[in-house]
Amino acid sequence: QVQLQESGPGLVKPLETLSLTCTVSGTSISSSYWSWIRQSPGKRLEWLGYIYYSGSTNYNPSLKSRLTMEVDMSKGQVFLELASVTAADTAFYYCARVASVTRLDYWGQGILVTVSS
Amino acid sequence: QSVLTQPPSVSAAPGQKVTISCSGSDSNVGRNFVSWYQHIPGTAPKLLIYDNTERPSGIPDRFSGSKSGTSATLGITGLQTGDEADYYCGTWDGSLSAGVFGTGTKVAV
Repeated sequence: QVQLQESGPGLVKPLETLSLTCTVSGTSISSSYWSWIRQSPGKRLEWLGYIYYSGSTNYNPSLKSRLTMEVDMSKGQVFLELASVTAADTAFYYCARVASVTRLDYWGQGILVTVSS
Repeated sequence: QSVLTQPPSVSAAPGQKVTISCSGSDSNVGRNFVSWYQHIPGTAPKLLIYDNTERPSGIPDRFSGSKSGTSATLGITGLQTGDEADYYCGTWDGSLSAGVFGTGTKVAV
């Protein structure tokens, strides 16, 4: 069974870098693309981007300048970094498996990251 | 950034039916497949419908999807209290070069 689990600090200071890890189990990380999505409290889901095991990425143009995604195949992990965070980046962050650009078939349960001093 | 519009909430009695609309444009719903997700806060979102009408293994046929032009619809029949959740449509937007989601609909039973 495919499972994804997000982890990382729940509190990040303004202007610092948010760093999260998604640990994948039940499938090979090289078999799919992997996506990050976030949801600010009370707001809509926002697609952040996706990455292939080869390192190929596609980022949301509105966040592209601050986003970095990486993959560690040996550990079965996908990483997200978001630089220069502000309060507007406070959100639940989810990782998901990309079955296609229009279909995310497995999701993690998410992690709340709060940006505050 | 979401460009897909859904009603904020729908409700019906147990056993009844609800439909949730997802209105987009030619650059997203009009040209790409639509998926639907169920999200109960605190849990992992679940894929209910993909490619407009297809159900993943394990999703009951009480859930159905359709698409016409730039709008998609999720139908839930035989409502159960366990169906209370937020529902989101999602697709790809070719103009934005980004995935997009709907505004979300809360279903109350």
